[in-house]
Amino acid sequence: NAGVTQTPKFQVLKTGQSMTLQCAQDMNHNSMYWYRQDPGMGLRLIYYSASEGTTDKGEVPNGYNVSRLNKREFSLRLESAAPSQTSVYFCASRFGASSGNNEQFFGPGTRLTVL
Amino acid sequence: GENVEQHPSTLSVQEGDSAVIKCTYSDSASNYFPWYKQELGKRPQLIIDIRSNVGEKKDQRIAVTLNKTAKHFSLHITETQPEDSAVYFCAASISPGTYKYIFGTGTRLKVLA
Repeated sequence: NAGVTQTPKFQVLKTGQSMTLQCAQDMNHNSMYWYRQDPGMGLRLIYYSASEGTTDKGEVPNGYNVSRLNKREFSLRLESAAPSQTSVYFCASRFGASSGNNEQFFGPGTRLTVL
Repeated sequence: GENVEQHPSTLSVQEGDSAVIKCTYSDSASNYFPWYKQELGKRPQLIIDIRSNVGEKKDQRIAVTLNKTAKHFSLHITETQPEDSAVYFCAASISPGTYKYIFGTGTRLKVLA
């Protein structure tokens, strides 16, 4: 099992450019999440998908869109990147509430710099 | 809105001493409280968690206590070792069924040899 994988690992964008961060999990998890991590701010939820076919906003959704492509894959898109979106982005997944297993498993992260 | 406060932001202890990190949460419906450890440049990894129907849970040198009335929970690490040096995050689930967690801002623990 690869667990949760993310691509790319590093990315540099210019202001106004767009890009998509990819996330996939092979643990048959139902729920998937996108977080951003900034120094001193902890992990803040951008968007999440409770189950395939559903997505919902988290704490800091502005400037982002998501797609739950299938049960395995959950992508995060920046349509017009801004310097304020410079951050480390983590994808995570978990089985889902009905399983009784609440643990979130994190991917290795994507370090994004917007110039 | 819901939030989780975590203290202290940095903590230095001598090897072999104990370390305590505290968190308070605002959502009285929160029922799951995980703690994650993040080493430099790595992903967060779960080290221990507790549900609201339990007051304390222990796993070797790590323990977590929960006070639902006061809405706070704490991480206790005994006999600290240099490899315990990392950033620790607490989190709390938001209202049941929302599948969301709110994270604290992290504590950087340094264990001095």
